[in-house]
Amino acid sequence: GEDVEQSLFLSVREGDSSVINCTYTDSSSTYLYWYKQEPGAGLQLLTYIFSNMDMKQDQRLTVLLNKKDKHLSLRIADTQTGDSAIYFCAESLSGYSTLTFGKGTMLLVSP
Amino acid sequence: EAQVTQNPRYLITVTGKKLTVTCSQNMNHEYMSWYRQDPGLGLRQIYYSMNVEVTDKGDVPEGYKVSRKEKRNFPLILESPSPNQTSLYFCASSPRLGGTEQYFGPGTRLTVT
Repeated sequence: GEDVEQSLFLSVREGDSSVINCTYTDSSSTYLYWYKQEPGAGLQLLTYIFSNMDMKQDQRLTVLLNKKDKHLSLRIADTQTGDSAIYFCAESLSGYSTLTFGKGTMLLVSP
Repeated sequence: EAQVTQNPRYLITVTGKKLTVTCSQNMNHEYMSWYRQDPGLGLRQIYYSMNVEVTDKGDVPEGYKVSRKEKRNFPLILESPSPNQTSLYFCASSPRLGGTEQYFGPGTRLTVT
């Protein structure tokens, strides 16, 4: 079945880059997502990437996809304390199917 | 403002006492779903609905019911809550199945004693 794995915790200093990693098992996955959950709030879609892309950049966010290794990463440049949150990786078989979420990575940014 | 609302935000109840968590969206979205979030387990989908009167089970539907009588509302019903249903619940909506435009509610923290 589908499975999405993430490391549970990452700590960085303000101004550094953060890299959050995710692996998935279903090679049929065509959409891969990153969501952000701030304390006490729901999930917010940050970005997504199609499986035929290697990279997607959006301001401070860079998503890298290695489809051969089924590995997805989210890089946050110049990490700020406001980036402290839980980040969820998710995948779906198409843009019209249900999502499978990872367990989430807690990012802690210290001043 | 486009939003998904849930009520209540916090609820403490006792085993066996029926409860309903409401979810409402103002974006005319067809697709709505319920998730539960538990430490170390991430988000797991409970039920989803692709339109009015169309609902289907997600990954963990046991002990829950849903209904979709109106497009904007998708209540989650626990007929006989048990302590293992203590969790953080999220409702989400999107114009279609899939995650490219999915909006989440703020969450309902439920404790069953």
